Amino acid sequence: AAGVIQSPRHLIKEKRETATLKCYPIPRHDTVYWYQQGPGQDPQFLISFYEKMQSDKGSIPDRFSAQQFSDYHSELNMSSLELGDSALYFCASSLGTEVRGTEAFFGQGTRLTVV
Amino acid sequence: GIQVEQSPPDLILQEGANSTLRCNFSDSVNNLQWFHQNPWGQLINLFYIPSGTKQNGRLSATTVATERYSLLYISSSQTTDSGVYFCAGNGNSWDYKLSFGAGTTVTVRA
Repeated sequence: AAGVIQSPRHLIKEKRETATLKCYPIPRHDTVYWYQQGPGQDPQFLISFYEKMQSDKGSIPDRFSAQQFSDYHSELNMSSLELGDSALYFCASSLGTEVRGTEAFFGQGTRLTVV
Repeated sequence: GIQVEQSPPDLILQEGANSTLRCNFSDSVNNLQWFHQNPWGQLINLFYIPSGTKQNGRLSATTVATERYSLLYISSSQTTDSGVYFCAGNGNSWDYKLSFGAGTTVTVRA
């Protein structure tokens, strides 16, 4: 079965540079989530999109922005990178319903290292 | 989002042993999932279990929604079961984002 695809898998950037992470959800899934997981931490919610509109926002720095495109893929743009942005970034997708969320599936993550 | 508490934080098992991991929620959940994060960082779906009981091989899970907790059972543990186990849930309708617990780190020794 198709899974959530993230690219790149690994990324090394220097401080103050910009990075773009991409996420391709499971076909027919209309909801995308972004999470950040620091070393030894649990995944922290950043932002989500439902039907190409931002649906919720968590602890996402102002230096980060994201969007969901017409084909439902999503991109997380990160500017003025700091050492503390080094983390594993996950994208997840699910099928939104009016009653409740459905099972979310996670991509393999992008490991970002800022040097 | 809801608050999620997991216990115990760490668990060391001898191969073949059974164990129970617990997850408590601060509020009612519409969605509850258990994940296993392997040493490569991949989050693997174990169960989608807003209520009731499910079994998958040596793993099973039970969620008692009215009492706001879920349990994950590992039977006859194997070294490949090592890793971090997370539970995560979301609350009200349209609050789709999953809030994660801090995880239980399981180490299974041969």
